[in-house]
Amino acid sequence: DAGVIQSPRHEVTEMGQEVTLRCKPISGHNSLFWYRQTMMRGLELLIYFNNNVPIDDSGMPEDRFSAKMPNASFSTLKIQPSEPRDSAVYFCASSPSGGAGNIQYFGAGTRLSVL
Amino acid sequence: AQSVTQPDIHITVSEGASLELRCNYSYGATPYLFWYVQSPGQGLQLLLKYFSGDTLVQGIKGFEAEFKRSQSSFNLRKPSVHWSDAAEYFCAVVNAGNMLTFGGGTRLMVKP
Repeated sequence: DAGVIQSPRHEVTEMGQEVTLRCKPISGHNSLFWYRQTMMRGLELLIYFNNNVPIDDSGMPEDRFSAKMPNASFSTLKIQPSEPRDSAVYFCASSPSGGAGNIQYFGAGTRLSVL
Repeated sequence: AQSVTQPDIHITVSEGASLELRCNYSYGATPYLFWYVQSPGQGLQLLLKYFSGDTLVQGIKGFEAEFKRSQSSFNLRKPSVHWSDAAEYFCAVVNAGNMLTFGGGTRLMVKP
């Protein structure tokens, strides 16, 4: 299995530009998570999908952030417009189902730098 | 709400020495606990998990962790550290909604 695949691995953009991060979960997994990692705040859950439906988006920082999961094999996290404080590593993770005991498998992350 | 505390931000040990990384959690029900490791530039890899049963759990790479309900702790241990163990380690608890809450992480450095 290829694992969770995220693209791009690195993104450098200028303030005000739109940024789209992509994630392909492990085939057969029903739950997908987006996390953000910064030095100041550590690892934070942004949004959680189960069966392509957003279940909890309380971690999404503000309206500039949006996430979609149009099908079971693809999700996007979009920032529009981007700001320097959005610079972070963004991780996508997937798990087999919505149960609490299921392990989450993480992608390698996208390192975003907003200049 | 659940929370996880890792008191040690940085730890340095000599290669071959034993290691213990501390983790304390706050959760109202029986916790599901995890330890993940993050190597530089990489995602998080699961080391081990505790759901129920035996309070001493074995993981990959020679790691183990012990769940102590009375102390609300889930400390990670390894009897002999290798240079390749240098990484950042995260303790996490999951709630009934399958959402992980992570501790702040402990960065491990290994001296030759």
